[in-house]
Amino acid sequence: AQSVSQHNHHVILSEAASLELGCNYSYGGTVNLFWYVQYPGQHLQLLLKYFSGDPLVKGIKGFEAEFIKSKFSFNLRKPSVQWSDTAEYFCAVTAQTGANNLFFGTGTRLTVIP
Amino acid sequence: GAGVSQSPSNKVTEKGKDVELRCDPISGHTALYWYRQSLGQGLEFLIYFQGNSAPDKSGLPSDRFSAERTGGSVSTLTIQRTQQEDSAVYLCASSLGGAREETQYFGPGTRLLVL
Repeated sequence: AQSVSQHNHHVILSEAASLELGCNYSYGGTVNLFWYVQYPGQHLQLLLKYFSGDPLVKGIKGFEAEFIKSKFSFNLRKPSVQWSDTAEYFCAVTAQTGANNLFFGTGTRLTVIP
Repeated sequence: GAGVSQSPSNKVTEKGKDVELRCDPISGHTALYWYRQSLGQGLEFLIYFQGNSAPDKSGLPSDRFSAERTGGSVSTLTIQRTQQEDSAVYLCASSLGGAREETQYFGPGTRLLVL
């Protein structure tokens, strides 16, 4: 069965610091990878996704993620965070076989201090 | 355009009562998903509808949970004889065609509290 690990539960950064949130998945086949974000009081929304092609994916608000197949990883990065990036970030996977649903990691809460 | 909507936004019920949660997907989206977000379990899949196909119920935690989707649009998630462990935020999502690489668009959720 698929599983997704996000090892950072809570990350606290000052504005302008660089961000990297880890995401590892366990699944032997082809996967589609997603990062969703949930801002305070808002619903989940897509930041970026990877399903084929260039393993470096750029998303909204300056976020990017790199799919490294050999490491089963899809880490999220941003070179300079802003206070408005304070949110909870979820990594998720869909597999190419089996159910179509997203398998989510447990989430990483990011707090950016002005 | 309008996103996924869910109602009610909050529901408080007593243990043992039945509850119904409603989801209106984005117009034209054929795939609809229900997830549950709880403190102990994170975000977990419950059920998936794709067009007129039989739903994928593999994530439902017990037979107290059921869902239907009428006319390929609105969906209702029903929880019978609610238990305190059912307390969670119930999220609905929809996607255009149900393909695995498609973006799923989430609603605001229904926060259920079982006393």
